[in-house]
Amino acid sequence: GENVEQHPSTLSVQEGDSAVIKCTYSDSASNYFPWYKQELGKRPQLIIDIRSNVGEKKDQRIAVTLNKTAKHFSLHITETQPEDSAVYFCAASVGGGSNYKLTFGKGTLLTVNP
Amino acid sequence: SAVISQKPSRDICQRGTSLTIQCQVDSQVTMMFWYRQQPGQSLTLIATANQGSEATYESGFVIDKFPISRPNLTFSTLTVSNMSPEDSSIYLCSAGTGTGDTEAFFGQGTRLTVV
Repeated sequence: GENVEQHPSTLSVQEGDSAVIKCTYSDSASNYFPWYKQELGKRPQLIIDIRSNVGEKKDQRIAVTLNKTAKHFSLHITETQPEDSAVYFCAASVGGGSNYKLTFGKGTLLTVNP
Repeated sequence: SAVISQKPSRDICQRGTSLTIQCQVDSQVTMMFWYRQQPGQSLTLIATANQGSEATYESGFVIDKFPISRPNLTFSTLTVSNMSPEDSSIYLCSAGTGTGDTEAFFGQGTRLTVV
């Protein structure tokens, strides 16, 4: 089955700096890659996703890049703010979206220091 | 978007007992998923629940321990049976509306503590 590796496990940045979280996946059939943000005690919430027919996607301060050949994808957060502090999970899916199961990475605890 | 409600939000249970968690979606969905999130850990898929058929379980999870019902297109239950302290986790259901191109939403989770 699919295996998703995520690095780093913790990341501490100063407010205004950029943060990058990287994931690799094992199943070349995976074609949907969402990123979820989970604040303490809350449910995971989708912040951005990308499909395998796209190499990069951006939404304001957040961007995701995908390298299908190398089977890795990355989350980029620019101009970080204290409210960006949370655990971020990458995931991969064959089929994509709501009707297919997700395999999650182990998560990255991002701390943005004011 | 889909609004997903879970009940209970938390519970403390005695070992050897069972707990049934309910998941209600505000619209009809094809697939519903149950995940487990152990303290400080990632989400691990327990099973996929498709209305009108038996749930599909992931490796390491069995129906006798985690029976699932899916009586209609908006509702599912997960039962954690014969609980032990190792079952202490957050259990989350997930679903999405529309076609497979839409995002997956999560319920708020059920925080289970087994004593």
